[in-house]
Amino acid sequence: RKEVEQDPGPFNVPEGATVAFNCTYSNSASQSFFWYRQDCRKEPKLLMSVYSSGNEDGRFTAQLNRASQYISLLIRDSKLSDSATYLCAVNPYNQGGKLIFGQGTELSVKP
Amino acid sequence: EAGVAQSPRYKIIEKRQSVAFWCNPISGHATLYWYQQILGQGPKLLIQFQNNGVVDDSQLPKDRFSAERLKGVDSTLKIQPAKLEDSAVYLCASSLDDRPYEQYFGPGTRLTVT
Repeated sequence: RKEVEQDPGPFNVPEGATVAFNCTYSNSASQSFFWYRQDCRKEPKLLMSVYSSGNEDGRFTAQLNRASQYISLLIRDSKLSDSATYLCAVNPYNQGGKLIFGQGTELSVKP
Repeated sequence: EAGVAQSPRYKIIEKRQSVAFWCNPISGHATLYWYQQILGQGPKLLIQFQNNGVVDDSQLPKDRFSAERLKGVDSTLKIQPAKLEDSAVYLCASSLDDRPYEQYFGPGTRLTVT
């Protein structure tokens, strides 16, 4: 089993749709969780951290479910510019700044 | 503020040849990371430096890969000899000591081994 696994893509959605991605992690002692965005042939960029209480940033909502060991990212009112690959990243317990990334979920928003 | 700089951006070599990549992190970022991203996969950490010391190199294939950060700023990653499966994008990232998970990535070096 991979340490971090994401929903296989691609997700093809129309503009304005709501889309959700899930990411599961195997190490129950994992401490910190993040979503990164990666545009085609570009570098990953931090989208948002995932807090235990959940957090929201505009149209984006991230949630953590420790009992089931997964994190989710919800995008409301999808825009064409949201088209990208979304990577979840997990920090294993007590391993400094180490991040383990999932394989990414590709999102394509169509007009 | 200048971002993470990497060079070269592209490199094509034959198997068994050597190659080196260079990274200049964001000014003031003590922690530097090298990741390997194979097509269709997420980035995989190869090595993490804090200043010029190695924090984690558990996934670095040490028989062929080496990295250094001599003065705690720039870093180089070397592959010698390269194999076909080393074809990937090599990403450098940096972060502040007190915000290690907020990593800023460079544009990467796309390596093709033929």
